[in-house]
Amino acid sequence: EVQLVESGGGLVKPGGSLRLSCAASGFTFRSYNMNWVRQAPGKGLEWVSSISGSTTYISYADSVKGRFTISRDNANNSLSLQMSGLRAEDSGLYYCVRDRVAGGSMDVWGHGTTVTVSS
Amino acid sequence: EIVLTQSPATLSLSPGERATLSCRASETVYTYLAWYQQKPGQVPRLLIYDASHRAPGIPARFSGSGSGTDFTLTISSLEPEDFAVYYCQQRNNWPRATFGPGTKVDIK
Repeated sequence: EVQLVESGGGLVKPGGSLRLSCAASGFTFRSYNMNWVRQAPGKGLEWVSSISGSTTYISYADSVKGRFTISRDNANNSLSLQMSGLRAEDSGLYYCVRDRVAGGSMDVWGHGTTVTVSS
Repeated sequence: EIVLTQSPATLSLSPGERATLSCRASETVYTYLAWYQQKPGQVPRLLIYDASHRAPGIPARFSGSGSGTDFTLTISSLEPEDFAVYYCQQRNNWPRATFGPGTKVDIK
């Protein structure tokens, strides 16, 4: 079964740091581009960052550029998001998401991990 | 940055009715447009990719059309389980992506 399981969320003070992880299983992880997408409580979906299978291509939303770093470990089928300089507006549910192998849509979503930034 | 606008914000319909949802891009995205469904408390689900292709397992009552800047998601006859929020997403400038603000389809 194709599965993505996120972990690492929690409560952090403004300005603090947090590292999210995503464990992938059931597919050839290195062959897929991966993403982080977040959703603030009661709000819509926001793309955060993407990384290609070979890590050649990496991109960030303007709202997180310079504060977040995406990475992956293809040997261990894992995706990470290092978050620093956290702000209240970074709070939300963070999804680990797989790109379709042939294109830019996102076909497999984890259940998410919750990040709360509050003093 | 490409901005997606979805209309209407809310669509109130009865089961069996036809739903027509619109997504407009601020510049051309060719056919690099996808649609997702999200029910309360659930994870988003891919419905349509590349503007008009149904994802595996998606019922035939869901269809997508359009290219360039104007796109439509049509649900031919609403089933009770179709009442949800629908998002469009563009990937013309991969790896960057943008989601629309969503259209909520609720029961009239």
